[in-house]
Amino acid sequence: LAKITQPISMDSYEGQEVNITCSHNNIATNDYITWYQQFPSQGPRFIIQGYKTKVTNEVASLFIPADRKSSTLSLPRVSLSDTAVYYCLVGILNRDDKIIFGKGTRLHILP
Amino acid sequence: GAVVSQHPSWVICKSGTSVKIECRSLDFQATTMFWYRQFPKQSLMLMATSNEGSKATYEQGVEKDKFLINHASLTLSTLTVTSAHPEDSSFYICSAMGRGGSYEQYFGPGTRLTVT
Repeated sequence: LAKITQPISMDSYEGQEVNITCSHNNIATNDYITWYQQFPSQGPRFIIQGYKTKVTNEVASLFIPADRKSSTLSLPRVSLSDTAVYYCLVGILNRDDKIIFGKGTRLHILP
Repeated sequence: GAVVSQHPSWVICKSGTSVKIECRSLDFQATTMFWYRQFPKQSLMLMATSNEGSKATYEQGVEKDKFLINHASLTLSTLTVTSAHPEDSSFYICSAMGRGGSYEQYFGPGTRLTVT
């Protein structure tokens, strides 16, 4: 099983770029890396998913080094509304495999 | 697209009663649905995985006779908490995965269960 480690909390300021790194040392060959955002009392919201190298969408970028033992979620120019918990998820949706959520990183954006 | 709904959004019940939570994929067919529970300020804990038309696979430590899961169709899965106790009070979240190559889970908004 991929053990996931991510920072417990981070603070940043509006307009800054925020990078959250997730470690997953024993990620399996078939595992994808997915990041979710969660606000209090809401279900997680998909942000981005990748397998290797770099993935970019309209809200974030995901950087995955060649060894895939870590990944970095990059949020450009954050705003107050980006204050949330961000989860790193490693796994493949297969009934024989486990889906592992990290403990989440509480991101607090300051004005 | 890819909307998942849950009903109810919150429920209060008395100890010893049973509560059913519905999870629906509104605009896609979900071959696999997942049920999670989340305690305050903690991460999501996978309870079980259900595939349409087959029995759910429960995670270690989750009582299958207490948390009954039914995935009767490609758009509906239900979680029934039987003989609920105060320690079952939690935030229950479902997610669904559609057909195709994406391994993305689409999460429902969650159901807050309070057992008194």
